[in-house]
Amino acid sequence: NAGVTQTPKFQVLKTGQSMTLQCAQDMNHEYMSWYRQDPGMGLRLIHYSVGAGITDQGEVPNGYNVSRSTTEDFPLRLLSAAPSQTSVYFCASSILPEPNGYTFGSGTRLTVV
Amino acid sequence: SQQGEEDPQALSIQEGENATMNCSYKTSINNLQWYRQNSGRGLVHLILIRSNEREKHSGRLRVTLDTSKKSSSLLITASRAADTASYFCATVNYGQNFVFGPGTRLSVLP
Repeated sequence: NAGVTQTPKFQVLKTGQSMTLQCAQDMNHEYMSWYRQDPGMGLRLIHYSVGAGITDQGEVPNGYNVSRSTTEDFPLRLLSAAPSQTSVYFCASSILPEPNGYTFGSGTRLTVV
Repeated sequence: SQQGEEDPQALSIQEGENATMNCSYKTSINNLQWYRQNSGRGLVHLILIRSNEREKHSGRLRVTLDTSKKSSSLLITASRAADTASYFCATVNYGQNFVFGPGTRLSVLP
C-alpha cells in the first residue's frame, strides 16, 4: 500500500507553460486536497474534493484547476505558469465525514522561471 | 489569515531536554491536530485531540487543549536529534477544511 503518491518530485517550467501535477491514493479516501507551501506561510489550501465528481476552491485557487473523475486520482493543473507559483505542492487525503488526520504525499517542488 | 499560529517560530534545545510548542486559534473547532515535517518531506500526522478532550498522550508526545483560551500545546519529552523538524498545528471544523499554522522549527542539538 503506497499511501499518497505524487509525481513528479521536481519540475522546472518556463513562464506561460502548463503542466499537471499528479496525485493518487490507494486508501479509498473520499477527501483529497492540494496545498502549496511557501517559506514562513505554512500550508495554504488550493483546491479540495469530497468525492468523485465534486471539487471546490480553497484559499488560493487562482491559476489552478482540478478534477476528480475517480476516488483515487486528484490531478492539479497549472494553466499558465507564473513565477509566483514557484512553491512546494502537497497532496493530502483523509476519510470523511470527520477527517481524523491527513495522509500527505512527499511533495512536488516546482520552479517557474 | 491563518487559523492556527504556532509559537515560537523557532526553538533550539539540547538532546534530552523537553520541547514545548504552542498553537493559538481564532474560531471554534471540532479537533486540533499536530503534524511533523522533516526537511524536504511531506507532513506526518502525530496526534489528534478533540474539542471535548483536555489532554492526550502518545509515546513521548503530550498534547493539551484549552478551548476557553483557544490554545493547544505540544510537549516532546526527552528530545532526540531525530526530533529535529518543523511542527504544525491544524484546526478542523465540521464541514470545513483543515487550516494550518506557519509552524515551529525545532532543532535538537546533540
